[in-house]
Amino acid sequence: QVQLQESGPGLVKPSGTLSLTCTVSGGSISRDYWIWIRQAPGTGLEWIAYIYNNGRIKWSPSLKSRVTMSADTSKNQFSLNLNSVTAADTAIYYCARALDGGPPDYWGQGTLVTVSS
Amino acid sequence: EIVLTQSPGTLSLSPGERATLSCRASESVNSNYLAWYQQKPGQAPRLLIYGASSRATGIPDRFSGSGSGTDFTLTISRLEPEDFAVYFCHQYGSSPLTFGGGTKVEIK
Repeated sequence: QVQLQESGPGLVKPSGTLSLTCTVSGGSISRDYWIWIRQAPGTGLEWIAYIYNNGRIKWSPSLKSRVTMSADTSKNQFSLNLNSVTAADTAIYYCARALDGGPPDYWGQGTLVTVSS
Repeated sequence: EIVLTQSPGTLSLSPGERATLSCRASESVNSNYLAWYQQKPGQAPRLLIYGASSRATGIPDRFSGSGSGTDFTLTISRLEPEDFAVYFCHQYGSSPLTFGGGTKVEIK
């Protein structure tokens, strides 16, 4: 059973950088697709980016200019950095896993990040 | 970008009734790579259906998915108390990956 756990600050100042880490157990990040998705309060889901094939990354076009993503196979973790944040980036951030050709099937519990001074 | 439009926005039904949820795509979904998720308050989405019609592991057979191309449906044959939740459709066949706005199934 794959388990994912997000970690990182719950409060980020406007214009700062949001940094989150997802720790994976029960699966290896050296294979499959590892994804970040967010959900603003009371709204729908938005795909941010995913990493696969040991470091290849695909970004949402709307966020690409502000997002970096990386993976640390020695720790079985992957990370998200979102810079120049505004209040519009306030959301629950989820990490998830997908198999090749499949949708996200395992999700972390999500972590709320609030952008506020 | 494929836009997914879900309808209705809210469905008010009683336990035991049948629920029919719609997801319409702005263009054809590649390989019918369309999934459905259930989300309850304070929880992550739970995968119900993938490939438009395949049930995920452990999902009861009262949940079924159908459709192809641009029109997809999630049917819950007989609503159980635990089925009252928000349901999202998701296309993973082309980038950017996109989600529908959700349908809330509430108790009438």
